[in-house]
Amino acid sequence: EIVMTQTPLSLSVAPGQPASISCKSTESLLHDDGETYLFWYLQKPGQSPQLLIYEVSKRFSGVPDRFSGSGSETDFTLMISRVEAEDVGVYYCLQGIQLYSFGQGTKLEI
Amino acid sequence: QVQVVESGGDLVEPGGSLRLSCAASGFIFSDYYISWVRQTPGGGLEWVAYISPNGDAMEVADSVQGRVAISRDNAKNLVYLYMSSLRGEDTAVYYCTRAVKMDSWGQGTLVTVSS
Repeated sequence: EIVMTQTPLSLSVAPGQPASISCKSTESLLHDDGETYLFWYLQKPGQSPQLLIYEVSKRFSGVPDRFSGSGSETDFTLMISRVEAEDVGVYYCLQGIQLYSFGQGTKLEI
Repeated sequence: QVQVVESGGDLVEPGGSLRLSCAASGFIFSDYYISWVRQTPGGGLEWVAYISPNGDAMEVADSVQGRVAISRDNAKNLVYLYMSSLRGEDTAVYYCTRAVKMDSWGQGTLVTVSS
């Protein structure tokens, strides 16, 4: 079973400042098809999770360009260039190469 | 627009059974994998099961192996999650999502296992 570990587990950021969340997997997420199956989600308070980033760095439709993803193999990062009030919530990474498993979540506060 | 709606959650006694449903619309249902994901009261997300577009392949998480089955009816745009021998730790909000990217989530349906 692939285990996903996120750091930090909580984060307090002033509006307009950058934020970064790390996600590490116990095995490489690089598939034989050349894609890397690492996803990022945001769950805003009282809402269902929403997809932000897929395949490490591809922004999902409608996601602001202040969100970006990077990384490879087992080490990944979600970056928010300038945090806004609407970015508050819990961020999760997800691996999809061997069934699925989520990270523990990172709570972002303003 | 793409939409998935879960239903069927309930209060059930330990050892009981339940069937959850997921109704999809706004996309070609038979082209997509569908997954169920649950969120426990502690807040963490856990993948539960998925089913392939034509229903010939499915996987379930080790934590529910032998107690959960998944099926789909492409004529009705429905996916089902059958849960049996329910335990307290199965208490959660259950979400249906359009896989592989899990790009569309419903509002979830609450399953509470308690006597």
